[in-house]
Amino acid sequence: EPEVTQTPSHQVTQMGQEVILRCVPISNHLYFYWYRQILGQKVEFLVSFYNNEISEKSEIFDDQFSVERPDGSNFTLKIRSTKLEDSAMYFCAITQEDKNQPQHFGDGTRLSIL
Amino acid sequence: DQQVKQNSPSLSVQEGRISILNCDYTNSMFDYFLWYKKYPAEGPTFLISISSIKDKNEDGRFTVFLNKSAKHLSLHIVPSQPGDSAVYFCAASEASGTYKYIFGTGTRLKVLA
Repeated sequence: EPEVTQTPSHQVTQMGQEVILRCVPISNHLYFYWYRQILGQKVEFLVSFYNNEISEKSEIFDDQFSVERPDGSNFTLKIRSTKLEDSAMYFCAITQEDKNQPQHFGDGTRLSIL
Repeated sequence: DQQVKQNSPSLSVQEGRISILNCDYTNSMFDYFLWYKKYPAEGPTFLISISSIKDKNEDGRFTVFLNKSAKHLSLHIVPSQPGDSAVYFCAASEASGTYKYIFGTGTRLKVLA
């Protein structure tokens, strides 16, 4: 069964607009991750989040990106001013108690920038 | 920066036979390796993992082998079933840091009935 739900499943946005992608874990999780997959390419790490703060971010995660857990449950990824190259599948992943446990992924949000 | 490589973009196997998917890595700091299966319009689904202290891990029809000296891992599926048709990604992470995963480019497996 899915341990994490992502909304929306598909988001179409004009270039320059802000988007917020949401991730809702089914139960308590400690470690949160965002990954993205551009069409035809591999899944790439964006950012990890632990104890309400970013623990690591990749080169892709520039100043246009931000993450937060506004209500202690939802985990969001915001892209402030979208670019065409932001078009991709965005996946949220979670683990529970131990970072050595496998990450479980949501079904992703397909972001299309026009 | 291709720390994890899957050199075969696709593989076709007859139902009932063995599927062998390969993965190579370059970072000697990796100590945890995983295989994920992905269907279209779904997220990656965890299949099996292996720690660097082991060289084999088995779970039902799936076995992962790790050869640290060659920096190579493989996934064996036996017997292969049509429902196994999907894209398979290997991933690796380091003991230190945040356990982010570095993924390979994937291998599309097609199991023929």
